[in-house]
Amino acid sequence: AQSVAQPEDQVNVAEGNPLTVKCTYSVSGNPYLFWYVQYPNRGLQFLLKYITGDNLVKGSYGFEAEFNKSQTSFHLKKPSALVSDSALYFCAVRDRYNFNKFYFGSGTKLNVKP
Amino acid sequence: GAGVSQTPSNKVTEKGKYVELRCDPISGHTALYWYRQSLGQGPEFLIYFQGTGAADDSGLPNDRFFAVRPEGSVSTLKIQRTERGDSAVYLCASSAAVTSYNEQFFGPGTRLTVL
Repeated sequence: AQSVAQPEDQVNVAEGNPLTVKCTYSVSGNPYLFWYVQYPNRGLQFLLKYITGDNLVKGSYGFEAEFNKSQTSFHLKKPSALVSDSALYFCAVRDRYNFNKFYFGSGTKLNVKP
Repeated sequence: GAGVSQTPSNKVTEKGKYVELRCDPISGHTALYWYRQSLGQGPEFLIYFQGTGAADDSGLPNDRFFAVRPEGSVSTLKIQRTERGDSAVYLCASSAAVTSYNEQFFGPGTRLTVL
């Protein structure tokens, strides 16, 4: 079965500091991994994805994520956090046999304080 | 706008009533998905349409839940005999095609409250 885990319910960081939101995955075979962000009363917005190739993936709003096969992780990172980055972040894995299915983590609330 | 839209944004109903939730996908997107997001959880897959047909309805929790997409565009999620446990945000998403690399585009959701 495909699944992802987000071990932190909440991450607090000061504006200007680097941020990391953790995600680990459990899949059979090569994973297709995604990060989405959810602002209050809005739908999930796509940030970035890893399908194949370079382990460091760059996405929207200055975010990037590093795919680490040995640690089965896909942590989301940003060098310098903004207050406007405060939101709910979801890691997701796509089922490799049924591309229509995404399995989402439980989400991590990112709080960036001025 | 060109995004996915969902109506209503909020729906309050009483236990036992019937509700319909509507989704307008991005124009030209053939794939449409419904998810349910409970408080403090990530979205949970319900059903997927490719065109007019429900290609995968394995996530529907029971036979009170049903969804249609008669013309391959707008979709309606129907819930009969609602229960308090059905309270959640129902998300719709669409994508251009179902491949390993295509991301899904989500609507803002319908918050369903069953009293």
